[in-house]
Amino acid sequence: DGGITQSPKYLFRKEGQNVTLSCEQNLNHDAMYWYRQDPGQGLRLIYYSQIVNDFQKGDIAEGYSVSREKKESFPLTVTSAQKNPTAFYLCASSKGMNYGYTFGSGTRLTVV
Amino acid sequence: GQQLNQSPQSMFIQEGEDVSMNCTSSSIFNTWLWYKQDPGEGPVLLIALYKAGELTSNGRLTAQFGITRKDSFLNISASIPSDVGIYFCAGREGTDKLIFGTGTRLQVFP
Repeated sequence: DGGITQSPKYLFRKEGQNVTLSCEQNLNHDAMYWYRQDPGQGLRLIYYSQIVNDFQKGDIAEGYSVSREKKESFPLTVTSAQKNPTAFYLCASSKGMNYGYTFGSGTRLTVV
Repeated sequence: GQQLNQSPQSMFIQEGEDVSMNCTSSSIFNTWLWYKQDPGEGPVLLIALYKAGELTSNGRLTAQFGITRKDSFLNISASIPSDVGIYFCAGREGTDKLIFGTGTRLQVFP
């Protein structure tokens, strides 16, 4: 079955460490997205990519980095520069910018 | 970044009651989508709307694309406990990326 997989589900890191969140899709979707969700809040766009080897900053890109070397994969690195990294991170993909998004099941990152 | 105004912010209802929520935008949209997010999971698409005035159902859920193209509505009839979650609207202007609403948190009591 096609889908979008985020791993791990739960991640703990010490303050000051970089951490990379994985997102893989086998839907043959061109576009991929990363969102951050804080408790009781909506979805805020971090980065998105419309095509391999290209990506754009979203609304809250500071302290994050991404790469898009393969169509299937869009990893997100939370760097030590991100002031409040503890959050629920959601990855999504779509056929193109004109289609609905399919979401992964999320990664809950806790930085202690 | 722009976010849609979604209301109400939260709802506490009794099982069996009907639910209504809406989403408004300052821009004209050509697509409206409604998603549901279960606790600790990613949002799942419920209904997609592509034409002004369009009314689409998915089981007990019915959504409408507002005539002005600046709003959309979602109704849930005869709510059940598994309807609990956060409902997000999302809209698109032209061919740009989706803009998400702030969410309506629904709690259903037996």
